[in-house]
Amino acid sequence: AQSVSQHNHHVILSEAASLELGCNYSYGGTVNLFWYVQYPGQHLQLLLKYFSGDPLVKGIKGFEAEFIKSKFSFNLRKPSVQWSDTAEYFCAIQSGGSYIPTFGRGTSLIVHP
Amino acid sequence: GAGVSQSPSNKVTEKGKDVELRCDPISGHTALYWYRQRLGQGLEFLIYFQGNSAPDKSGLPSDRFSAERTGESVSTLTIQRTQQEDSAVYLCASSRTGTSGNTIYFGEGSWLTVV
Repeated sequence: AQSVSQHNHHVILSEAASLELGCNYSYGGTVNLFWYVQYPGQHLQLLLKYFSGDPLVKGIKGFEAEFIKSKFSFNLRKPSVQWSDTAEYFCAIQSGGSYIPTFGRGTSLIVHP
Repeated sequence: GAGVSQSPSNKVTEKGKDVELRCDPISGHTALYWYRQRLGQGLEFLIYFQGNSAPDKSGLPSDRFSAERTGESVSTLTIQRTQQEDSAVYLCASSRTGTSGNTIYFGEGSWLTVV
């Protein structure tokens, strides 16, 4: 069975600080990987996704994530966060033969102005 | 429609009552998903529809939970004899084909509180 682990449950940063949110998964085969974001009062929306090819994926709003197969990781990064990045971030995995994404517990990010 | 629409957005019900939660997926999306998110926890998969059939119901927590989908469109999640542990946000999502790798689009959720 596939599973996702997000190690940081709460992260607090000041504006302009760099961000890295950890995501590790458990599955031995081909995977599709996603990061979703939920801004306060809004619905979950896709930030970026990896299917194949270049393991460094760029998403919206300056976010990027790197797929490291040997580490079963898909960490989310942003060089300089803004107050508007305050949100809940969810990592998700979809194994090659499955239609159903499995989500991690989420990481709550608070950015102080 | 422009996005996934869910109703009601908030529901407070007494323990033991039945509730129905509705989801209108994006027009033309054949795949529909229900997830549950309890306070402070991640998204818990409940059920997946491809068209009107549900090939995967493995996440439904008990026989008090059921869901149906008609016309390859609207879906209803029904919880019978609600319990306090059913309190959560119930999220509906849809995707164009359900093919592995397709982006899924979420609604804003239905917040259920059982008192």
